[in-house]
Amino acid sequence: EVQLVQSGADVKKPGESLKISCKGSGYTFTTYWIAWVRQMPGKGLEWMGIIHPSNSDTRYSPSFQGQVTISADKSISTAYLQWSSLKASDTAMYYCARSGGNYPDYWGQGTLVTVSS
Amino acid sequence: QPVLTQSSSASASLGSSVKLTCTLSSGHSSYIIAWHQQQPGKAPRYLMKLEGSGSYNTGSGVPDRFSGSSSGADRYLTISNLQSEDEADYYCETWDSNTHVFGTGTKVTVL
Repeated sequence: EVQLVQSGADVKKPGESLKISCKGSGYTFTTYWIAWVRQMPGKGLEWMGIIHPSNSDTRYSPSFQGQVTISADKSISTAYLQWSSLKASDTAMYYCARSGGNYPDYWGQGTLVTVSS
Repeated sequence: QPVLTQSSSASASLGSSVKLTCTLSSGHSSYIIAWHQQQPGKAPRYLMKLEGSGSYNTGSGVPDRFSGSSSGADRYLTISNLQSEDEADYYCETWDSNTHVFGTGTKVTVL
């Protein structure tokens, strides 16, 4: 069974750094892209970027380029999304998703990030 | 970059059918899309990939009450025999070069 298990909810202060994770299982982790998707409170889905764990080839949406960093460690089948300096506007639910054939076909359960002073 | 247009809401009675529309922007009418369902408080779930020809492939475990069709730049998701658990937000998604875009989502209410 394909599963993407994300790290737990986190509460941070503005200016702090954060790295959230997404661990894949039930399939060969290095043969599919992993995408990250943001959902702000009460809003729709926004595609942030994507990584291929085999070689860490990474693409970012122009809206998120320079704002976050996507990485992966294929040895432990885990992808990451990180911020170096969080803002209140980064408060959102973040989802990872396996991308098979250009579109997400399995989703993680989501990680809620709250940034508040 | 393509833009996807969805109506904000739709409603239908329990046991009936509802047809949702996702419209591709000019110049992108041949694009393949994907449909995703997001039930309240849950993560999205992949429903299907839908081509411009109307051919579609559903995800693992998706009931056959969900079907897809196409006409020109329009991509449709039809839910037959509507159940209470179908009350959710439905998003279409497409991709171009190195980026993906989602529609704004349609909220389906089961009456």
